[in-house]
Amino acid sequence: EPEVTQTPSHQVTQMGQEVILRCVPISNHLYFYWYRQILGQKVEFLVSFYNNEISEKSEIFDDQFSVERPDGSNFTLKIRSTKLEDSAMYFCASSSSNAATYGYTFGSGTRLTVV
Amino acid sequence: KNEVEQSPQNLTAQEGEFITINCSYSVGISALHWLQQHPGGGIVSLFMLSSGKKKHGRLIATINIQEKHSSLHITASHPRDSAVYICAVTGADGLTFGKGTHLIIQP
Repeated sequence: EPEVTQTPSHQVTQMGQEVILRCVPISNHLYFYWYRQILGQKVEFLVSFYNNEISEKSEIFDDQFSVERPDGSNFTLKIRSTKLEDSAMYFCASSSSNAATYGYTFGSGTRLTVV
Repeated sequence: KNEVEQSPQNLTAQEGEFITINCSYSVGISALHWLQQHPGGGIVSLFMLSSGKKKHGRLIATINIQEKHSSLHITASHPRDSAVYICAVTGADGLTFGKGTHLIIQP
């Protein structure tokens, strides 16, 4: 069964450093998403991406965040200057043209720890 | 903005018991999802529903659109079912998640 692959599975970084979280969505999917789950809290939407541009973003997705699909297969989330409160599990997801009909496929997540 | 509420927050049961987890939401949706999150953190999609009932193995999910309510049932529960079960809804503002139900099945 097709999978969404995320790397790395765990990343530790120092406060103020830049991190890039990588995702390989399912190849024929068109919509891509990033979600965040702070430990002990619910999953929160960050951003959706379609046709090489952001289609929607939440209040959390401020100027320190950016997304990119650099080469047609990878979908990346960059955090420019990490803060302690960015420590969370970050999930990538993808969907085909109609998520309401076909649903979402989630990656296994990247656990980001900012120290 | 949709509010998604799950109950119970925590549930401990004995192996073999029938388990029910409930989810209610406040605003009309196009689909409801039940997700499973294992201790390692990864999320797996179990069901997507827009009406009626779906069954997959020992798992059954139902939804009542009029009452804005869904239930996830596990029959003949097993310790490997121990996980966090998350309800999420697809609405006008994308996917909104509940806080999850932490299920522990004891042998």
